[in-house]
Amino acid sequence: KAGVTQTPRYLIKTRGQQVTLSCSPISGHRSVSWYQQTPGQGLQFLFEYFSETQRNKGNFPGRFSGRQFSNSRSEMNVSTLELGDSALYLCASSREGAGGTYNEQFFGPGTRLTVL
Amino acid sequence: DAKTTQPPSMDCAEGRAANLPCNHSTISGNEYVYWYRQIHSQGPQYIIHGLKNNETNEMASLIITEDRKSSTLILPHATLRDTAVYYCIVRVRSNDYKLSFGAGTTVTVRA
Repeated sequence: KAGVTQTPRYLIKTRGQQVTLSCSPISGHRSVSWYQQTPGQGLQFLFEYFSETQRNKGNFPGRFSGRQFSNSRSEMNVSTLELGDSALYLCASSREGAGGTYNEQFFGPGTRLTVL
Repeated sequence: DAKTTQPPSMDCAEGRAANLPCNHSTISGNEYVYWYRQIHSQGPQYIIHGLKNNETNEMASLIITEDRKSSTLILPHATLRDTAVYYCIVRVRSNDYKLSFGAGTTVTVRA
């Protein structure tokens, strides 16, 4: 079974631009979560989508947004990029358990975003 | 979710067992212990989870104390490829998929 895939793997942008990152979950997984990882803040939760709806949200400004499509693929968008947005952006997918119980998340390789 | 405490780093000799401790003294009765690891520049990888019984899979064993206030992840025969940051996370098994990662333990396996 193919794992979680993320595109692109590397991206360089300049301040003020916007960027869209893509994530394809494992087949059959309907939950997709996004995380930001920086050396200073570590791994931080951005948001989670399930059945095309944002179900959970972390403490990030509105410049960070996302969406999920009917095939469970997800995109996240960052507008008006700042230098501090340079990070590894990770996507994780999970199969929803019976009764809404949590199942382990499987992470993709990430997209390394550099903002100049 | 309950807070966890892990040592910042530890070394292990290749071929030996690596025992990674985690303290979670405020764990609630319905919270599970999850372990993930992150090899440099890759996404985190799920290892194992448990509630109160000891668990074993092809990657590792998880030993949870009877009072559930601490646990130990055991890598039975560490290899150089096990060098990674290991995260211990305590959470309820609900559809709240937010994982709170701490600083983890940086494990270095030496030849």
